[in-house]
Amino acid sequence: NAGVTQTPKFRILKIGQSMTLQCAQDMNHNYMYWYRQDPGMGLKLIYYSVGAGITDKGEVPNGYNVSRSTTEDFPLRLELAAPSQTSVYFCASTTLGLAGRTQYFGPGTRLLVL
Amino acid sequence: RKEVEQDPGPFNVPEGATVAFNCTYSNSASQSFFWYRQDCRKEPKLLMSVYSSGNEDGRFTAQLNRASQYISLLIRDSKLSDSATYLCVPSLRGGADGLTFGKGTHLIIQP
Repeated sequence: NAGVTQTPKFRILKIGQSMTLQCAQDMNHNYMYWYRQDPGMGLKLIYYSVGAGITDKGEVPNGYNVSRSTTEDFPLRLELAAPSQTSVYFCASTTLGLAGRTQYFGPGTRLLVL
Repeated sequence: RKEVEQDPGPFNVPEGATVAFNCTYSNSASQSFFWYRQDCRKEPKLLMSVYSSGNEDGRFTAQLNRASQYISLLIRDSKLSDSATYLCVPSLRGGADGLTFGKGTHLIIQP
């Protein structure tokens, strides 16, 4: 299994541009998440999905959109990039473990908005 | 009160020493607890899940005190490779609706 994969690894955007961050998992997990991590800070939840066709907002959803048409893919869309969206974006998926849901993270996408 | 509070450190510890971190959480309804480690500029990786009163895995021991709402992580015989940021993550509903991460505790193991 490849686990959770993310593309691209790194991207530079100009203010106002749009882009889609791709996330895919091959573990047949129903639950998927998008987090962002600013320098020196903890991860903050942007959006999550409990299954294909179902998404919900997290703590910091403004400026982002998501869709979940398949179990495997959970893309994150930035419509009008702003400097405040400069961050590292992590996608995660989860399975049920003994103590709850163990989250597996992708390697991250580093985004710089200039 | 923040959902999760950890001493950010850094903790500078000589190789081979034992080091312990504490983490306090505010939501008494938290059901599941996780310790993740995050290396610089990398994704978080699960270190341990904590259930009932604690868990042990090799050199790592986690203990949970629900009455006082804190979790501890003990690392014995620390290795250079243990240098990382350690994230304490309590969760409701097993984290189904996402996890709340603090800034973590930065550990530096010195040769």
